[in-house]
Amino acid sequence: GAVVSQHPSWVICKSGTSVKIECRSLDFQATTMFWYRQFPKQSLMLMATSNEGSKATYEQGVEKDKFLINHASLTLSTLTVTSAHPEDSSFYICSARVQGVYGYTFGSGTRLTVV
Amino acid sequence: QKEVEQDPGPLSVPEGAIVSLNCTYSNSAFQYFMWYRQYSRKGPELLMYTYSSGNKEDGRFTAQVDKSSKYISLFIRDSQPSDSATYLCARKGGSNYKLTFGKGTLLTVNP
Repeated sequence: GAVVSQHPSWVICKSGTSVKIECRSLDFQATTMFWYRQFPKQSLMLMATSNEGSKATYEQGVEKDKFLINHASLTLSTLTVTSAHPEDSSFYICSARVQGVYGYTFGSGTRLTVV
Repeated sequence: QKEVEQDPGPLSVPEGAIVSLNCTYSNSAFQYFMWYRQYSRKGPELLMYTYSSGNKEDGRFTAQVDKSSKYISLFIRDSQPSDSATYLCARKGGSNYKLTFGKGTLLTVNP
């Protein structure tokens, strides 16, 4: 089945540094990738939608300059958290829409801790 | 009013029990509904996908949509400890393919 590989699974970084999270579709082409953030005991909140070769569309309240999304190929999308702060600590998950499949495939998530 | 409402629980049941998980939604234009299971510190995995009203069964899982009351349900028969997880309902938007999730219900099945 369609698999999305997400790395790293967890990362600790210092405040002020940048962190890149990668999501790769292993056996299909992901034309659309979604990026979510999930705080403890909370639901998934959509941050942005990216289409291959296009600029990402960000949800209201999400800072475009802070959360940089690149979807340069049909198999790779990246989220870079720039100048990270402790309040950015969260669980970040990517999801891909699979052509011909009704559901969406999710990555395994990245737990970011900013200290 | 949020688009998808879900009781976060937690819900604790004995092994073998029938579990009922429910969500309500506000927009009658919604057509596609999904149930995801999420284990701790993992990404969600799709359990069931439904369109329009009625029931859909897959093994021990049954998804039900009642469009007249804007109610979606997931039933788990013969629940197992391995079913312990957070269950998220979701609806898919129109042309933008975005998913909107409920808060999720934390289920614990006790052996």
